[in-house]
Amino acid sequence: NAGVTQTPKFRVLKTGQSMTLLCAQDMNHEYMYWYRQDPGMGLRLIHYSVGEGTTAKGEVPDGYNVSRLKKQNFLLGLESAAPSQTSVYFCASRVNYNEQFFGPGTRLTVL
Amino acid sequence: EDKVVQSPLSLVVHEGDTVTLNCSYEVTNFRSLLWYKQEKKAPTFLFMLTSSGIEKKSGRLSSILDKKELFSILNITATQTGDSAIYLCAVEADNDMRFGAGTRLTVKP
Repeated sequence: NAGVTQTPKFRVLKTGQSMTLLCAQDMNHEYMYWYRQDPGMGLRLIHYSVGEGTTAKGEVPDGYNVSRLKKQNFLLGLESAAPSQTSVYFCASRVNYNEQFFGPGTRLTVL
Repeated sequence: EDKVVQSPLSLVVHEGDTVTLNCSYEVTNFRSLLWYKQEKKAPTFLFMLTSSGIEKKSGRLSSILDKKELFSILNITATQTGDSAIYLCAVEADNDMRFGAGTRLTVKP
């Protein structure tokens, strides 16, 4: 099992560009999450999904969109990147009433 | 608004010391509280707590939850340099999972 994987690992964007981050899990987990982590701020929830075809807003959803067309994949999109979106992005998955498993993270820089 | 507050934000100790990390929360529809350790990469799971007063233990680490006073503590005894990390507390409410800012622990030889 690969667990939770994220693509890409690093990316540099210019302001206004768009991109999609891919999270994939092979554990058949229902729940998937996207977080961003900035220095001194822990992990902040962007969006999450409780199953295929469902998504919900977290704590900091503005400027991001998500889709969960397949159970194993959770995509995070930035339509028009801004420097404030420079961060490390983590994806996680879980089954209900259990711990989350995290991906290795994507380091995004927006110039 | 749901919130999770960890204290202290940073802590420096020497090998062999015992440390206590705190996590307090205010959320609606509490389900569970989780502790994670984060070194250079992704967080790794330590404990999940759902019931008050029941201590969870793994080696030198232990944790307990107080659902009446809305807090949890993470204890590390006989600290080692390998315990140096950021310790994150997360609280699940409904399907949402909120994290605190973390406690950065540094253990000096």
